[in-house]
Order: sequence, then structure tokens, then C-alpha cells
Amino acid sequence: KAGVTQTPRYLIKTRGQQVTLSCSPISGHRSVSWYQQTPGQGLQFLFEYFSETQRNKGNFPGRFSGRQFSNSRSEMNVSTLELGDSALYLCASSQWDRGYTEAFFGQGTRLTVV
Amino acid sequence: DAKTTQPNSMESNEEEPVHLPCNHSTISGTDYIHWYRQLPSQGPEYVIHGLTSNVNNRMASLAIAEDRKSSTLILHRATLRDAAVYYCMTSYDKVIFGPGTSLSVIP
Repeated sequence: KAGVTQTPRYLIKTRGQQVTLSCSPISGHRSVSWYQQTPGQGLQFLFEYFSETQRNKGNFPGRFSGRQFSNSRSEMNVSTLELGDSALYLCASSQWDRGYTEAFFGQGTRLTVV
Repeated sequence: DAKTTQPNSMESNEEEPVHLPCNHSTISGTDYIHWYRQLPSQGPEYVIHGLTSNVNNRMASLAIAEDRKSSTLILHRATLRDAAVYYCMTSYDKVIFGPGTSLSVIP
């Protein structure tokens, strides 16, 4: 079956702009989580959605937001981009939330803010 | 603050067992313990997870300390394809990743 698909794969934005990233989970998976990966901070949890409800949130400012649609596809949005937002953004899908079941990661979206 | 620690790097000879440790001293009673591995330019790949009891699957074994403040991922016979960065992660209300251990496998 198809894996987790993230679009776009690469993105270059200017400081102050906003960006929307998309994640299509594995069919049948109801949970989607988002992560930021940087060389300095490693993997950091952004938020998790399950059946269109945000179930869990990491320690990121309100500029980072997300949503999940009825078909389980998810988007995350970053407003007023800063240079420090340059990172690999990963999403993962799983059948259940809160770590009950294994997560499958996409290949990520590489965001560069200039 | 919750903190998870792992050694920065480890080395193993091919076909020998590897024990990758992780300390998650602030784990709560409901947190699951997960292990993922990541190759360059790829997303993390699931290895194994558990709650309290030791777990085995076709890839690896997970040994969880009785107090759950530490765990060990065991690769029974390391192969060259096992060279990757291994992350432990705890999850329930808070999702915390360790910094990762870069595993090198020597032929």
C-alpha cells in the first residue's frame, strides 16, 4: 500500500511569508503527527491530530498551526516565517494516537527561509 | 524539563549483537517507548515499541528496565544495512525524542 506522502519536497520562502505543507497518510490511518528536524535541535514534536482533533501539542509558538481533514489528510501552516524555521518538516501517520501503534514517516519537506 | 539521552555514536562489527541504550528518566506511567532509525535523506523508520514488558519483532528486541527509566534496543546480528541514526522516543501526552545514536557497522 502507498506510504505517507508529503508535498512539496522542497520549498524556499522569504522571511515574513507564510507556508503550508501537506501530508497524506496511509489509507486507514486516523492519526497524523508533525515534527521539525534541525541539526541543532534534532527531532522535535509539533502536534498530533486524530480524527480531525488536535490531541497533543509540542512547545512551539502559535505561528505553527495545523489541521486535519475528514479524509485524514493534514496540513501544517507556519506564518511570519523566521530564518530559524528552516528545517526538515516530517509527518507521520499511525492507526491510533498517543504512541499506541507504530508510526510511518514521510520523506519530509525541506523548508529553507531566506 | 523532560529529557531523553543517548550516546552520540556507537560502533559494531558486522554479525555481532549491538546494544543501544537510552535514558528517559522523566518518563510517565502512560508513556510508550519507541525506537526509530533514520538513513540520510529519508524519514525515520519504525523499529520497535513497548510499554512495560520486553518486546521482540523480526528487526530487533526492546529491553525495558523495571523502573522504565531506561531501555535498550538490541540488534541481534548487525548488518551493513543497520548503519543509521537510532532514535528513542517516549510518547503519550508529551512526545520526546532522544538526540540519536549514530551506529557504524564495520565489515
